[in-house]
Amino acid sequence: EIVMTQSPATLSLSPGERATLSCRASQSVSSNLVWYQQKPGQAPRLLIYGASTRATGIPARFSGSGSGTEFTLTISSLQSEDFAVYYCQQNNDWPRTFGQGTKVEIK
Amino acid sequence: EVQLVQSGAEVRKPGESLKISCQGSGYSSTNYWLGWVRQTPGKGLEWMGIIYLGDSDTRYSPSFQGQVTISADKSISTAYLQWSALKASDTAMYYCARLSNSWSPFGHWGQGTLVTVSS
Repeated sequence: EIVMTQSPATLSLSPGERATLSCRASQSVSSNLVWYQQKPGQAPRLLIYGASTRATGIPARFSGSGSGTEFTLTISSLQSEDFAVYYCQQNNDWPRTFGQGTKVEIK
Repeated sequence: EVQLVQSGAEVRKPGESLKISCQGSGYSSTNYWLGWVRQTPGKGLEWMGIIYLGDSDTRYSPSFQGQVTISADKSISTAYLQWSALKASDTAMYYCARLSNSWSPFGHWGQGTLVTVSS
């Protein structure tokens, strides 16, 4: 199965700063890469699919890029509601697999 | 509005059986997939499997194949996750989520069902 590796495990930043989260696949997943956001006590929420397409209602400060094995989620200017855990997931091959998550915390 | 409503929290003993459910609403057809995702305390997300409501075509992760059974009743837009003999290691939050097709992301999520297995 494809192993998804996210880095860093934790990102400590201040509101207004730019966040850059990485996700690497153990083999190519083309552009079939998804990002989710999860806040404490809540279900995950779809942010980005197809590596770079924002889901309905997702603010423009969230952007995704990459293809093949290297992907990036960028939050251009962190808002208080963006401090959460972010997961990538490949939906190119069976079984679908998630990364272990990156926690974006307030510095 | 698409909604997924999961059954309530469960507490069971090791060796007991359990079936939890996820009912969808807000859409008229059964041409979609529902999936299950496990989240153990303090850990990340694990993709367990998905089922097509139209014909019950099912895909499992090898990690969960043989450990759980995913089923569906399209007449009530409901998917199920079932264990025949729970283990303590099955203690987790289980989320169901909806996909438009098998290549889609999980676009809508249920609220989660907490399963606790303890003697």
